[in-house]
Amino acid sequence: GDSVTQMEGPVTLSEEAFLTINCTYTATGYPSLFWYVQYPGEGLQLLLKATKADDKGSNKGFEATYRKETTSFHLEKGSVQVSDSAVYFCALTGSNQGGKLIFGQGTELSVKP
Amino acid sequence: DTAVSQTPKYLVTQMGNDKSIKCEQNLGHDTMYWYKQDSKKFLKIMFSYNNKELIINETVPNRFSPKSPDKAHLNLHINSLELGDSAVYFCASSQMGRAGANVLTFGAGSRLTVL
Repeated sequence: GDSVTQMEGPVTLSEEAFLTINCTYTATGYPSLFWYVQYPGEGLQLLLKATKADDKGSNKGFEATYRKETTSFHLEKGSVQVSDSAVYFCALTGSNQGGKLIFGQGTELSVKP
Repeated sequence: DTAVSQTPKYLVTQMGNDKSIKCEQNLGHDTMYWYKQDSKKFLKIMFSYNNKELIINETVPNRFSPKSPDKAHLNLHINSLELGDSAVYFCASSQMGRAGANVLTFGAGSRLTVL
C-alpha cells in the first residue's frame, strides 16, 4: 500500500541555520503531497502542498518540490527561527482512497536561539 | 470563527469505562475523519464519513463506533476502554471533489488518558 517515510528526528538547529527534512513516498498513480506542521499542544496545520510532478509548494519561507523521478518531497527553509520549532509531517493522498491522508512518522524540529 | 472543534480537549478515565468525543465543523465540508496519534506522534486514520456515510474504516476494534448525525458532526464513542486507547484523537474535515488536492482541516485534538 501507499506509504511515506521521513527522516528520523529530533533535529536540533541554531537560529538562521538551513533546514532540510527528507521525505520519500511509495504510491501507485499520482498522489498529492503535503507538509503539515504541529506546534506544541496544537492540531495539525497545512504548511504547503503540491499536486503534480515538478510542482513547488511554498509558504512562510518553507519550500518543497514534488520529484516523481526520486519519489521525494523534501522540506527546506533557508533560515529557521525559534518559532519554527514544531513537529513536521509529510503526507500523501492517493487516487480513489476516499481522501485519506497517509502520514510519515513526523520529524521534531527544535531551533535554539 | 470557521473551524473544526472537538470536545473535550482532555479526558481522563478508568479502564473499562465508555466515553465519547464530539466533533463539529462549520466549514461546509462534506467529509469528516478521525485520526489517532500515538505517544510517538504517529498519525493513523481510523474512520472517514462522506455526507454521513462511512467510507473508510481502517481495521479499528469494534469498541470504537463513529456516529455522524449530519455532515457537520462526527462523534467517536469508545466502549470498554483499554490502556492502549490512550492517545490524542484528531478530528478533521475536507471537501471532496474540489479542484486541486483534498486538503484536510484538523481540530486541536482530544487527549484521552486511560488509567
